[in-house]
Amino acid sequence: GQNIDQPTEMTATEGAIVQINCTYQTSGFNGLFWYQQHAGEAPTFLSYNVLDGLEEKGRFSSFLSRSKGYSYLLLKELQMKDSASYLCAVRDRVPYNTDKLIFGTGTRLQVFP
Amino acid sequence: DTAVSQTPKYLVTQMGNDKSIKCEQNLGHDTMYWYKQDSKKFLKIMFSYNNKELIINETVPNRFSPKSPDKAHLNLHINSLELGDSAVYFCASSHIRNEQFFGPGTRLTVL
Repeated sequence: GQNIDQPTEMTATEGAIVQINCTYQTSGFNGLFWYQQHAGEAPTFLSYNVLDGLEEKGRFSSFLSRSKGYSYLLLKELQMKDSASYLCAVRDRVPYNTDKLIFGTGTRLQVFP
Repeated sequence: DTAVSQTPKYLVTQMGNDKSIKCEQNLGHDTMYWYKQDSKKFLKIMFSYNNKELIINETVPNRFSPKSPDKAHLNLHINSLELGDSAVYFCASSHIRNEQFFGPGTRLTVL
């Protein structure tokens, strides 16, 4: 079956560092995405991992361990505007001409002053 | 602006009605998608088209019918609307195997 788990909610303080974890069990694996979604808005792409290790992109980094079925998103120097939901999505291994993302339920992050 | 656009942004209708949502992308992508996000914010794929060909068709009631007249457009028609259809519907597009870009969403409320 397909299962992607993330914490439902997290809180943090402005300027701090927060790590949002994602564990997955899927029938196939062909990459993992992180998306940010502000309330009432569309998801926007943050990062992509397909090989093990850390991908850094400014204040945001994402890590993947395929053997453990585990990823995390690290947000540094938190700002109030980082208050949003963070969605972990696994791309299933499907025939070449398909691109199916399976999303977790998202982690709602609230940043306080 | 290069983007994925959807119309309408809000749709309020009665049970049993038929409605359509339109989506257009000017990003030059070859693949387009429809997602449903329910009240618990769970985002689930419904359909995907690649070069106007249906390639993903999840377990969706056949009251939902997508139509792709060309690579830049993917519309969603819903017949006999039910209360459980109330949700936010997102269109997205991508080059195959790359990150997906989402439209602003259509908030559908069925009364």
